[in-house]
Amino acid sequence: GQNIDQPTEMTATEGAIVQINCTYQTSGFNGLFWYQQHAGEAPTFLSYNVLDGLEEKGRFSSFLSRSKGYSYLLLKELQMKDSASYLCAVLDSNYQLIWGAGTKLIIKP
Amino acid sequence: IAGITQAPTSQILAAGRRMTLRCTQDMRHNAMYWYRQDLGLGLRLIHYSNTAGTTGKGEVPDGYSVSRANTDDFPLTLASAVPSQTSVYFCASSEKGENEQFFGPGTRLTVL
Repeated sequence: GQNIDQPTEMTATEGAIVQINCTYQTSGFNGLFWYQQHAGEAPTFLSYNVLDGLEEKGRFSSFLSRSKGYSYLLLKELQMKDSASYLCAVLDSNYQLIWGAGTKLIIKP
Repeated sequence: IAGITQAPTSQILAAGRRMTLRCTQDMRHNAMYWYRQDLGLGLRLIHYSNTAGTTGKGEVPDGYSVSRANTDDFPLTLASAVPSQTSVYFCASSEKGENEQFFGPGTRLTVL
């Protein structure tokens, strides 16, 4: 079966760095997405990785290792507005997104 | 206003009633999707459409139907609602299947 695992909840301090991990087992791989979802709102796109390595976009970076079935989202200089759920999703061989349950990130002052 | 709209924002529905959730996008995206999101679970794909005139079944299609008569609209119909269909429903679109998806604001549906 297809499976995406990420921690249910993480807590971090304002101004710090946090890494949210995602491991996956899917039928085929055509890329991995990270989305941010604030409570009561729709998911919004953060990043896309299809090749191994690190993609940096401002305070957010995303890493992919296809051989290990592993990705992480790195958030630097955390701000209170970063409190949200972070969703990992893999595009499978049928070009359908398989979603993890999401990681709720709590930022404390 | 560019983006995706959904209607209604929320709805309480009696079991056995028929309900259509509306979704419209103005980005001329080819692909559209319907997901449900339940607490503790990831987004689950109900139905999708890769282009106008075509539709396909996702992970949890039972009890739902869709149509894609044109590029902009992708309505989701519950023929006879059941309490297990209580959920938040998101419509999304993408230029093509491999591109990032843009989400509508969601419809919160409660079936009693």
